[in-house]
Amino acid sequence: EIVMTQSPATLSVSPGERATLSCRASQSVSSNLAWYQQRPGQAPRLLIYGASTRATGIPARFSGSGSGTEFTLTISSLQSEDFAVYYCQQYNNWYTFGQGTKLEIK
Amino acid sequence: EVQLVESGGGLVQPGGSLRLSCAASGFTFSSYWMQWVRQAPGKGLMWVSRINRDGSSTSYADSVKGRFTISRDNAKNTLYLQINSLRAEDTAVYYCARVYDISGYYQGCDYWGQGILVTVSS
Repeated sequence: EIVMTQSPATLSVSPGERATLSCRASQSVSSNLAWYQQRPGQAPRLLIYGASTRATGIPARFSGSGSGTEFTLTISSLQSEDFAVYYCQQYNNWYTFGQGTKLEIK
Repeated sequence: EVQLVESGGGLVQPGGSLRLSCAASGFTFSSYWMQWVRQAPGKGLMWVSRINRDGSSTSYADSVKGRFTISRDNAKNTLYLQINSLRAEDTAVYYCARVYDISGYYQGCDYWGQGILVTVSS
């Protein structure tokens, strides 16, 4: 099983600032990686697929990068609605999620 | 508007069974692979099962294989998850989700239901 490790577990950032979230795979997943946002009490929302392609309706302040085993989700200027938990998911070999990064207001 | 609405959850004793349903609307259900994903209380997401467009191909996470059965009724636009031999560790919110693919290649899940809670406890 491919293990996905996200860091940090919690990230404190001020509104308007940039947030950088990391995701590492235990073996290469090529670019078969998605990012999801989950707000409290809500279902996950697809943000990024193919490591770097924004899903429909996702604002341009969200960007993804990386390939192989190292991936990054960047939120360029945090809005209040962006404070949530973020998960990466690999789909190169079945499907596994990272444990999540909680993005909180500083 | 795409909608996925789960039902059938609740409190069940260890060893018991439940059938979860997911009613789909707003899209051509038979054209999409579907998945179930679960989330234990306060925990992360875990893929449970997937099914292809016509229901002829199914896959499961190792932890549920042999106990869970995914199926679909395209005439009723409904996805199902039969869960048997329930254990305490199956306690979770279960989400149905629509698979987004490009030319048949999985790219994630673009629509999710609101989730349904299954609690396994005596």
